[in-house]
Amino acid sequence: SQTIHQWPATLVQPVGSPLSLECTVEGTSNPNLYWYRQAAGRGLQLLFYSVGIGQISSEVPQNLSASRPQDRQFILSSKKLLLSDSGFYLCAWSPGGEGRYFGPGTRLTVL
Amino acid sequence: GENVEQHPSTLSVQEGDSAVIKCTYSDSASNYFPWYKQELGKRPQLIIDIRSNVGEKKDQRIAVTLNKTAKHFSLHITETQPEDSAVYFCAASLDSSYKLIFGSGTRLLVRP
Repeated sequence: SQTIHQWPATLVQPVGSPLSLECTVEGTSNPNLYWYRQAAGRGLQLLFYSVGIGQISSEVPQNLSASRPQDRQFILSSKKLLLSDSGFYLCAWSPGGEGRYFGPGTRLTVL
Repeated sequence: GENVEQHPSTLSVQEGDSAVIKCTYSDSASNYFPWYKQELGKRPQLIIDIRSNVGEKKDQRIAVTLNKTAKHFSLHITETQPEDSAVYFCAASLDSSYKLIFGSGTRLLVRP
């Protein structure tokens, strides 16, 4: 069966510091991968999606970037965090365009 | 592009009663409609989904109905239990699209 991992689980970072969140998927090949952000008490905002290695589509222009160096690895980065970057970051995968299967998430607090 | 509206934003029911959450979508080409349940502090989890060639789908106490003409779909939970308390999200997409658009969520509280 498929498993999706994210780390770290929680992170507290100062404003202006860099960020790297990692997501890996097991048990499937060539998955579609996604990064979502959820602000406290809010809905799910799609940040990036990828249909293959090196293929990244951005949904929201901001100070975040994503990379997919390997088939089952998806990385979310920032060079300088803003206060507004705080939130619950969820990686997800899908077998094609259908339902999303979410990872456990990273709770990021920017101070 | 697709837009999904979800109502109500909060819903409180007595244990054993039914709960209904409704969503409307804007793109008539959308053909895939999943529902997610998110417990406090946890990840959203897919609980049921429906495709546009089906009008209704059931899985034990939960069911989803789809009205393509009116462009709305609903989640029905019968015999609610306290463990059904969570935030529920609807979503819509075109199968071949990678953009799954989520509703804003409904916070369901089931009172014992």
